[in-house]
This record gives sequence, structure tokens and C-alpha cells, in this order.
Amino acid sequence: RKEVEQDPGPFNVPEGATVAFNCTYSNSASQSFFWYRQDCRKEPKLLMSVYSSGNEDGRFTAQLNRASQYISLLIRDSKLSDSATYLCVVTGGYNKLIFGAGTRLAVHP
Amino acid sequence: DAGVIQSPRHEVTEMGQEVTLRCKPISGHNSLFWYRQTMMRGLELLIYFNNNVPIDDSGMPEDRFSAKMPNASFSTLKIQPSEPRDSAVYFCASSFLDSSTDTQYFGPGTRLTVL
Repeated sequence: RKEVEQDPGPFNVPEGATVAFNCTYSNSASQSFFWYRQDCRKEPKLLMSVYSSGNEDGRFTAQLNRASQYISLLIRDSKLSDSATYLCVVTGGYNKLIFGAGTRLAVHP
Repeated sequence: DAGVIQSPRHEVTEMGQEVTLRCKPISGHNSLFWYRQTMMRGLELLIYFNNNVPIDDSGMPEDRFSAKMPNASFSTLKIQPSEPRDSAVYFCASSFLDSSTDTQYFGPGTRLTVL
């Protein structure tokens, strides 16, 4: 079983749609959780950290459920510029990040 | 501010040749990471350094791979001899490890093709 599992997609949605990505992780000792975004042929960039209380950054909302070892990302009012791969990331100890394989999002006009 | 700098950006070499990838972390960061990304395996951590000391090299595929960090502003990842299955994008990332944050900042990557 992979340490971090994500649906690879692709998710094809029209502009303005709301889309949700889910992720599960296997290490119950993980302490920190993130969503990274990676554009085609570019490096991953931090989108947002994920906190147990849930957190929001504009159109993006992240949730963490420690009991179920489940992380989610909700994108509201999708824009064409949101098209990218979204990587679910958890810590594996001492600043070590474990990346999921990513979920591809394609937003079309 | 300059981000993480990697060179070369692209490398095409023949099987058996030595390949050296270079990375300059963000000034002031104390942790440096080398990752490899392929379609099949995704993004994998190869090795990471804290204060120039290798902390975890369990992701290094085999003895053909070696990494060094002679000082806080420079690291190399060497593959000798290279093989076609080493073809991938190699990312370097850096962070400042403290109790409040562990955000990693990635360089643009080196796209390696071994023929």
C-alpha cells in the first residue's frame, strides 16, 4: 500500500465549477499535511498547509480528518488557471515529505 | 530573492557516462533535499541534508548514486555510471527547519535523459 494515495484523475470540469480532491495516508504518526500544486513541466509549489480545524485560502479549502487519516481539498469557482496536478503531502518524520502521485485537474471554458 | 537554483536544466547523456547535477539552496536555509520524479513512480525523496550533514539517504536507489553538500550553499548529485532507467526529472528543494514551519521550496529541476 502506498503511504499517500490519491485518485489520479483527470478531473475535467467547466469554469466556475466546484471540485473536491481526496487523499488518504497510512502513517498515523504524520504531523504535518500540505497540498502542493505542480504545473506541467514545472516544479511543485506549496498551495496550502492543512490543519485539523480546517483552513481556507480564498477559493481553496483544506480539511484534515486524523481519525480517518484523510485529507481533502475543495476548489470553488474553478478558473482555467487552476488546471494543474495537485499533490497531497504528509510528513514522514524529521522534515521528510511523502508525496502522493497527484490528481490532475483540467478546467475548460 | 533568488529561489533554489539547479543546473543544468536539461542533460542528455549516453549510458555509462557520469552525470553531475548541481543545486544552490535558498540563502539561509539549513535543509536540502534531492527528489526524483517519473511518471511511473511519482516524486521520490532520494536524500536530504540538514546543516550540510546527510540525514536520510534511504531513498538513494543504489551505489551508482551519490550526493554531497560541501557547504551550505552548494550540493551535487552524481550518477556514475548512468543507465537509461535513471531518466527522470531531478528536483532539489530547500527549507529552513524550525519548530514552526517546514515548507520546502523546489528548484526548477534538471531533466535527465540517458540514452
